[in-house]
Amino acid sequence: RKEVEQDPGPFNVPEGATVAFNCTYSNSASQSFFWYRQDCRKEPKLLMSVYSSGNEDGRFTAQLNRASQYISLLIRDSKLSDSATYLCVVNMLAGYSTLTFGKGTMLLVSP
Amino acid sequence: DGGITQSPKYLFRKEGQNVTLSCEQNLNHDAMYWYRQDPGQGLRLIYYSQIVNDFQKGDIAEGYSVSREKKESFPLTVTSAQKNPTAFYLCASSMTGSYNEQFFGPGTRLTVL
Repeated sequence: RKEVEQDPGPFNVPEGATVAFNCTYSNSASQSFFWYRQDCRKEPKLLMSVYSSGNEDGRFTAQLNRASQYISLLIRDSKLSDSATYLCVVNMLAGYSTLTFGKGTMLLVSP
Repeated sequence: DGGITQSPKYLFRKEGQNVTLSCEQNLNHDAMYWYRQDPGQGLRLIYYSQIVNDFQKGDIAEGYSVSREKKESFPLTVTSAQKNPTAFYLCASSMTGSYNEQFFGPGTRLTVL
C-alpha cells in the first residue's frame, strides 16, 4: 500500500467553483499533516497545516479524519491563480521530523 | 530576508563527473533535508540532518553524499555512482520535531549530458 496516496487529476474547474481533494495515508501513528502547493517547475510552498479539529484559511479548509486515515482540502471560489499541484504531506514516523510527500493532485482553473 | 538559497539554479554535467549542489539557510533551523523530484513523481528523501556533524540516509541515498559542518549549510554531492542523476533537487529546512513544517529552497535542476 502506498504511504501517501492522492488522485493525480487533473481536476478541471471553472473560476468560482468549489473543489475538494482527498488524500489517504497508511501509518496510523502519523502525527502531523500538511498541504503544500507546487507551481510548475517551482519548489513546494506550505499552504496550510492540518489540525485534528480542522482549520480554515480564507478560501481554503483542511480537515483530518484519523479514524479513516484521510485528509481533505476544500477550495472555495476558485481563482485562476489556484492552478497548481497540491501535495499532501504526512509525518510518517512519530517523533521524527521527516515527511512523506504524496505525488500531488493537479488543479486547473479555467476562465 | 530569511530563507533558503540553492545554487546553481541549472547545472549540466558530463557522465562520470561528481557535482556539488549548494544549500544555505538563515532561518536558524536545526534540521535540513535533500529531496529529489522526477517528472510526475513525488519528492523522495535523499539525506537529512537534524544537527551539525550528523546526518542520516533517506530512501534513496545511494550515489549521493552530504556534509553538515555548519548549521546554515548542507551541500549535496551527486557522485558518478548515481545511475540516473538528471532530476530536480530540492533542499529544505525545519525546526526539529514531528510537528514542524519544512520550507524549501528554489531548487537546482541537474541535467547529465
